[in-house]
Amino acid sequence: EIVMTQSPATLSVSPGKRATLSCRASQSISSNLAWYQQKPGQAPRLLIYGASTRATGIPARFSGSGSGTEFTLTISSLQSEDFAVYYCQQYNNWPPWTFGQGTKVEIK
Amino acid sequence: QVQLVQSGAEVKKPGASVKVSCKASGYTFTSYGISWVRQAPGQGLEWMGWISAYNGNTNYAQKLQGRVTMTTDTSTTTAYMELRSLRSDDTAVYYCARDLSLVTAIPGYWGQGTLVTVSS
Repeated sequence: EIVMTQSPATLSVSPGKRATLSCRASQSISSNLAWYQQKPGQAPRLLIYGASTRATGIPARFSGSGSGTEFTLTISSLQSEDFAVYYCQQYNNWPPWTFGQGTKVEIK
Repeated sequence: QVQLVQSGAEVKKPGASVKVSCKASGYTFTSYGISWVRQAPGQGLEWMGWISAYNGNTNYAQKLQGRVTMTTDTSTTTAYMELRSLRSDDTAVYYCARDLSLVTAIPGYWGQGTLVTVSS
């Protein structure tokens, strides 16, 4: 099973600033990496797939990069609605698809 | 638009079974698979398995093998997830999610979630 490790666990950022979230896979997953956003009491929402392709309707301030084992989600200028928990997920080897433990982005 | 509407909250006793439904609309049901993902209180996301709505093929997480069954009913465009021999650590919100696309079998569209509470 591929283990996904996200860092940091919590990221405190001021509105308007940049946020950089990291995700590491225990073995190469090529570019088969997705990012999800989850707000309290809501279902997750797909942001990025294929490591760098934004899903439909996702603002351009969200960008993804990386391949192999190291991946990054960048939010260029944090808006109030972006404060949430973010999960990465690998879909290179299944079963199972595996998620990271999440990074909480909170207001500084 | 793609919509997935799940059944309501359940309270079950340890050892019982639960069956959660996921009614799909807004797309051709048999063209996409459905994943099930759960989230224990205050915890992260756990992938449970996937079913093809085209032919019923399934892939389950090994830790749930033997306790979980995923099915679909194409006549009602509904997917089901049954979990048996429930334990307290099965308490979670259970989500269904449709594949993103015909070629990308990741959760792209999500249901609202169903809370299953296991308690004596």
